[in-house]
This record gives sequence, structure tokens and C-alpha cells, in this order.
Amino acid sequence: NAGVMQNPRHLVRRRGQEARLRCSPMKGHSHVYWYRQLPEEGLKFMVYLQKENIIDESGMPKERFSAEFPKEGPSILRIQQVVRGDSAAYFCASSGGAMSNQPQHFGDGTRLSIL
Amino acid sequence: AQSVSQHNHHVILSEAASLELGCNYSYGGTVNLFWYVQYPGQHLQLLLKYFSGDPLVKGIKGFEAEFIKSKFSFNLRKPSVQWSDTAEYFCAVNAMEYGNKLVFGAGTILRVKS
Repeated sequence: NAGVMQNPRHLVRRRGQEARLRCSPMKGHSHVYWYRQLPEEGLKFMVYLQKENIIDESGMPKERFSAEFPKEGPSILRIQQVVRGDSAAYFCASSGGAMSNQPQHFGDGTRLSIL
Repeated sequence: AQSVSQHNHHVILSEAASLELGCNYSYGGTVNLFWYVQYPGQHLQLLLKYFSGDPLVKGIKGFEAEFIKSKFSFNLRKPSVQWSDTAEYFCAVNAMEYGNKLVFGAGTILRVKS
């Protein structure tokens, strides 16, 4: 996939540790979205960012979760003091514009496991 | 708030059988509709999308979907499935009023027996 790059593919953390998930959008894309998929459920929107700005964070838990998309470098989803319930697959998507009809292209996801 | 329902969580078909996966959404305004597919171990790929115009849209790999506004539905179809269609299929919706976020259904896991 020469498109959206996520790393790591798998991440294991113990309760209380921090998790950092990275996402590099497709070339030319400046809009990034993070989604979370819990077992047996569909993807749930978390946050939408454009370079250096958070546009919509209506799906982000109020505590412990944060996201950024700096001017240089990948977008980061950060989870502090992880708990067992944070175990999930986290997917990043990117699009080329702000219009809602711009298709979002997805990365391979990061599978986060909390021990 | 928007929601998306996919009727079947698991579907098992034999090769050459016809496929129809149901998708209904709850939002009454103007929507954009998508079907994504996730093959085992791979990322989500866009199968097809509907923004406006002809309600019957054709996507990759022989898939098509029909938007029926009166039924709030966007069902996915394929006349003859292949073993390689084994995957999980997600219906997704977004509406301009709610911004760019996609609202996904829970997914349908399709297994095609060879």
C-alpha cells in the first residue's frame, strides 16, 4: 500500500503506559481521520485533523486521548495511562480535500493490545 | 445522529451464488454513501461510492449498489461471487451537516466456499 502508512502494525502496552500511534497520509493529502474498531463492531470516528488544526474531535474520549498533526511529520494519536478497554484496532484515513464527498483512504491499522 | 445498520453479520455463499448485503441509514438529509471492503490482513479499500446522480452505482470487481432514498437503503450486490470475495464489507455514510466523518455499519463478514 503506497498510500496511508501507519505504524506500528501491532503495539503491546501494559496498563498505565502510554501508546503512540503514527499515521502518514497519502502523498498530497492534508486531511487525516482516526477511527477505532472494537471487536465485533464497526469503525467509530474519533477525530479529524488538518495540518496543525483539530477540525472535529467529537468522537474522542474526554480524557487520556489526544491527537495532533504537525506541520512536519506524521499525525500522532496518543493514549495516556492505557486501560484494558483501549485494546482495539486504530485506523487512520486521509483525504485530499475538505469536502464530505472526498473518499477517505485507509491505512492498515494499528492493533493495540493492553496487558 | 446518524446510524448505519447492516442486516447480516455473517454470510456464507457458494461460488457463483448471487450476493446482496443490506445497508440502511438513519439520516434524513443529503448523504454520501460508501461501501468499503477489508480482505483478510489488509486495509479497508473503497469498493464504490454514491454522491448524486444515477442511484445505481458500479464499483470495482463487479460490485454494484443501489441507493433507494425512500427506503434509506444502499444495498450492495454482485451477481456471481468468487472465492476471492471472502472479506468483511462495511457500509458507511457521511452527511455534509455532520462534517467529513464517516459513520460505519458493524460490517458483514462474507465467506465464499469454493
